[in-house]
Amino acid sequence: DAKTTQPPSMDCAEGRAANLPCNHSTISGNEYVYWYRQIHSQGPQYIIHGLKNNETNEMASLIITEDRKSSTLILPHATLRDTAVYYCIASGNTGKLIFGQGTTLQVKP
Amino acid sequence: DTGVSQNPRHKITKRGQNVTFRCDPISEHNRLYWYRQTLGQGPEFLTYFQNEAQLEKSRLLSDRFSAERPKGSFSTLEIQRTEQGDSAMYLCASRLLGPNTEAFFGQGTRLTVV
Repeated sequence: DAKTTQPPSMDCAEGRAANLPCNHSTISGNEYVYWYRQIHSQGPQYIIHGLKNNETNEMASLIITEDRKSSTLILPHATLRDTAVYYCIASGNTGKLIFGQGTTLQVKP
Repeated sequence: DTGVSQNPRHKITKRGQNVTFRCDPISEHNRLYWYRQTLGQGPEFLTYFQNEAQLEKSRLLSDRFSAERPKGSFSTLEIQRTEQGDSAMYLCASRLLGPNTEAFFGQGTRLTVV
């Protein structure tokens, strides 16, 4: 599974969009990009995933570059409850998730 | 509640004792995964099952660890002769077979070895 790189931390003002970047330059053609988040002491929560097209659900949007080497998770209107560690993961046929250090997003009032 | 269920939520044990954790996946999810997470780190993959078959084990899974999924439904993770270094959160996840599916995690079992 391809390695991903994320900034260790980011801040965002409450009510503004949070844009979390992820690099996955070695991603292979059959690997999907997954985003999970984890709030302290809870299990990871699924957010969204995609292969090459942009995706949107009730939680977030996922923008994947045309070359698939990077992606951005967008939380359109961040709230204090969105403060968490966000993980970007490239995963293939086994469905195994290899977590990195993630990005700690701090939403500030 | 139709999510992934893990029991117990917390376990304190003395060094050298054996412990067993249980994971009940979402019904009909073929694949089941175990992860371990220590403080300040992301979850680390341990092993996964497709139905009752254990398809992959991480090098992190020492001989003291064993996992089973006897009927392709619930799974157990046993740690024998626990060590202080085994103290961690043990997470279980399940998903349907297929590449375009998502995994759902339980709330984990927090193990403290004293």
